[in-house]
Amino acid sequence: QQPVQSPQAVILREGEDAVINCSSSKALYSVHWYRQKHGEAPVFLMILLKGGEQKGHDKISASFNEKKQQSSLYLTASQLSYSGTYFCGTVESSGNTPLVFGKGTRLSVIA
Amino acid sequence: GAVVSQHPSWVICKSGTSVKIECRSLDFQATTMFWYRQFPKQSLMLMATSNEGSKATYEQGVEKDKFLINHASLTLSTLTVTSAHPEDSSFYICSASLTSGRYNEQFFGPGTRLTVL
Repeated sequence: QQPVQSPQAVILREGEDAVINCSSSKALYSVHWYRQKHGEAPVFLMILLKGGEQKGHDKISASFNEKKQQSSLYLTASQLSYSGTYFCGTVESSGNTPLVFGKGTRLSVIA
Repeated sequence: GAVVSQHPSWVICKSGTSVKIECRSLDFQATTMFWYRQFPKQSLMLMATSNEGSKATYEQGVEKDKFLINHASLTLSTLTVTSAHPEDSSFYICSASLTSGRYNEQFFGPGTRLTVL
């Protein structure tokens, strides 16, 4: 089941903050966040696991509400390089299961 | 970090020909690799799960006779698009799974852009 992302698109000025949300109707084991720039492969940002474990880049923060099956990605003090499409990918169980990606959130940061 | 390569990065072919795309994990062994397809301005859609030494598992709606997947070693999976048609034109991305503690992290290749004329 494809997770639902919101908003679909957002425009920020440099230095502004944004929150991108991802929700699933299924119980999740982990949520993965990626950023993709046009014509390139997705780049890993963050992984959040059921039980509270997280791994990601220092400048990126995210949360995972296991009860609501919702995750949020927090982008603070945005930079021009933050522009791209952000995808959340969800995994329902442990093991070598594939990611199911949301439709993406297009973020544009302008000067 | 773990690195995954894809070859070729782009390919243009005539309708009816077959195209092979390679996905390699360069510095780790991957028993499981995944193949995704992405159309312009759309999300990544899983096509199939490739397991080393066994048959691939295809998602519903993906023709296994058209998209042949071979995972012959722990570092290489190939996707062959047989008798390609213009509607197969897309961005094909592979990922390789690496277990780290309680989770499996997926590392994506740079993608292959296929254009079928």
